[in-house]
Amino acid sequence: AQSVTQLDSHVSVSEGTPVLLRCNYSSSYSPSLFWYVQHPNKGLQLLLKYTSAATLVKGINGFEAEFKKSETSFHLTKPSAHMSDAAEYFCVVSSANDYKLSFGAGTTVTVRA
Amino acid sequence: EAGVVQSPRYKIIEKKQPVAFWCNPISGHNTLYWYRQNLGQGPELLIRYENEEAVDDSQLPKDRFSAERLKGVDSTLKIQPAELGDSAVYLCASSPAHRGSTDTQYFGPGTRLTVL
Repeated sequence: AQSVTQLDSHVSVSEGTPVLLRCNYSSSYSPSLFWYVQHPNKGLQLLLKYTSAATLVKGINGFEAEFKKSETSFHLTKPSAHMSDAAEYFCVVSSANDYKLSFGAGTTVTVRA
Repeated sequence: EAGVVQSPRYKIIEKKQPVAFWCNPISGHNTLYWYRQNLGQGPELLIRYENEEAVDDSQLPKDRFSAERLKGVDSTLKIQPAELGDSAVYLCASSPAHRGSTDTQYFGPGTRLTVL
């Protein structure tokens, strides 16, 4: 079985300040981990993906995430938030060689001017 | 490269009416998924196709939901009759994955269904 817990349902940051979105996972096998972003009335867009290569994964739009097996975490960060980062973010896990994705409940990010 | 295409984008119907959603995956992607996303939640898988074969429909409510992918390309998801609780966003995704592999799934914009 696999599952994801996103520790914050809502994060509010000022433009230009760092963003941290926390995610803990549970997986019986070597996991693949993803972060997706969903802007209002838009589809889910892949930000980045971890599949057992480098533990620090760089994604699009300046986002990155670090896989920490000892902490079963995959937190998403960005050093400087932009107004366009306001969206819903989903942490997702799947087990190795398994297509099934388990989504977290999502974290809503608001960016203050 | 065109992404996953879905239509319609929005649909409002009265309960007990039928409704259908259409999806065209990314060219060359043999695997297609339908998800349902309730308000404030992450998507949940309804059905997965490899080419024209439904390889996982365990989460599809078969009493009222049906899906098809006759030529292994585009797909239709149908609800008949719709109930109030079916109001949600229906997402289609595709990937080049084959059975037993993990590959990135690419999502369409979704169809927002409102049942009155």
